[in-house]
Amino acid sequence: NAGVTQTPKFQVLKTGQSMTLQCAQDMNHEYMSWYRQDPGMGLRLIHYSVGAGITDQGEVPNGYNVSRSTTEDFPLRLLSAAPSQTSVYFCASTSGHGYTFGSGTRLTVV
Amino acid sequence: GESVGLHLPTLSVQEGDNSIINCAYSNSASDYFIWYKQESGKGPQFIIDIRSNMDKRQGQRVTVLLNKTVKHLSLQIAATQPGDSAVYFCAEKKGAQKLVFGQGTRLTINP
Repeated sequence: NAGVTQTPKFQVLKTGQSMTLQCAQDMNHEYMSWYRQDPGMGLRLIHYSVGAGITDQGEVPNGYNVSRSTTEDFPLRLLSAAPSQTSVYFCASTSGHGYTFGSGTRLTVV
Repeated sequence: GESVGLHLPTLSVQEGDNSIINCAYSNSASDYFIWYKQESGKGPQFIIDIRSNMDKRQGQRVTVLLNKTVKHLSLQIAATQPGDSAVYFCAEKKGAQKLVFGQGTRLTINP
């Protein structure tokens, strides 16, 4: 049982480049979400999904897109990376409570 | 606005002592709170949770206390060990499974 798997673990992008952060869970959880964590701060919600085909915006959605075509996968897309998106990104899933987090993707935009 | 915050950014305790980490929240309608532990380079790890209809909940070496009158949440760690060194976050669940996190408290264990 792998839990929540995020790839890649590290990524460096140039300003304006696009990329997709992958998130997969094998626990059959309906709810998945993406957070970003900046130095000295807590996690802030970017986007979330309550089930396949359903997504919604969180606290800081600008510059990010998501989709949820399957229960297992919830990719996060950066269409045109900006230095302000340098952060550590965490994906999480839950069946109701006791959220499980992935190990994170550390993204640097130069 | 609605927020979840922590009283102190850092806490140092002697190994073997008890640790108390505090958290204040402002949304009196919140019905569920969670404490997470985050070690360096890792994602947050669930420690313990509590519903708003409870005042206290105990786990293994950890206790969470909820005071709804003053909107205060605390995490007590008994007999603190070196492995407890981490950043601790409280989080508040707000509708549709969304979590709002506080800024975190870094717990350091002195030998």
